[in-house]
Amino acid sequence: AQRVTQPEKLLSVFKGAPVELKCNYSYSGSPELFWYVQYSRQRLQLLLRHISRESIKGFTADLNKGETSFHLKKPFAQEEDSAMYYCALRRRSGGSNYKLTFGKGTLLTVNP
Amino acid sequence: EAGVAQSPRYKIIEKRQSVAFWCNPISGHATLYWYQQILGQGPKLLIQFQNNGVVDDSQLPKDRFSAERLKGVDSTLKIQPAKLEDSAVYLCASSLGGQTFGSYNSPLHFGNGTRLTVT
Repeated sequence: AQRVTQPEKLLSVFKGAPVELKCNYSYSGSPELFWYVQYSRQRLQLLLRHISRESIKGFTADLNKGETSFHLKKPFAQEEDSAMYYCALRRRSGGSNYKLTFGKGTLLTVNP
Repeated sequence: EAGVAQSPRYKIIEKRQSVAFWCNPISGHATLYWYQQILGQGPKLLIQFQNNGVVDDSQLPKDRFSAERLKGVDSTLKIQPAKLEDSAVYLCASSLGGQTFGSYNSPLHFGNGTRLTVT
């Protein structure tokens, strides 16, 4: 069975400091990993995905298969980055269907 | 584009009562999901539809929960009878059809959710 672990429920940093939100997964196959974000009073939305290897709002995440990790990083945090961040894993659930499993989330607070 | 619409936004009921939630996905999205998010936890998939067919309902408590998507567009999720532990935010999401592995053309788009309180 697949599992997504976000070890930190809360993370607080100062503006301009580097930030890293940790995500570890367990899955025997080849996973697709995503980061979703929920800003205050907004809906849950996709931030980035490992396949596209993109940088969104200054955030990057690299899939490390050896360590089964997909940590989210940003070198200089901004106050507007304060939000709830969820790591998610997508796997094949049968036939051509795929299932997305979320971690419990990390609440990031960026202090001025 | 219009986003995923859900109603109601909030609902308070007593245990053993019934409740229904409605979701209208983004136009053209073939796949529709219902997630349950209990306070302090990540969203948990309850049921996934591809058009009007169910492709995954393994985590749906079928003794009390039911969902349908009769015409392959909007969907309703029902709880009957509700229990205290059903208090949660119920999220609807949709994505383009054909969730081909490795295809990143179909991220999930979420609605604002319905916050259910069972007293």
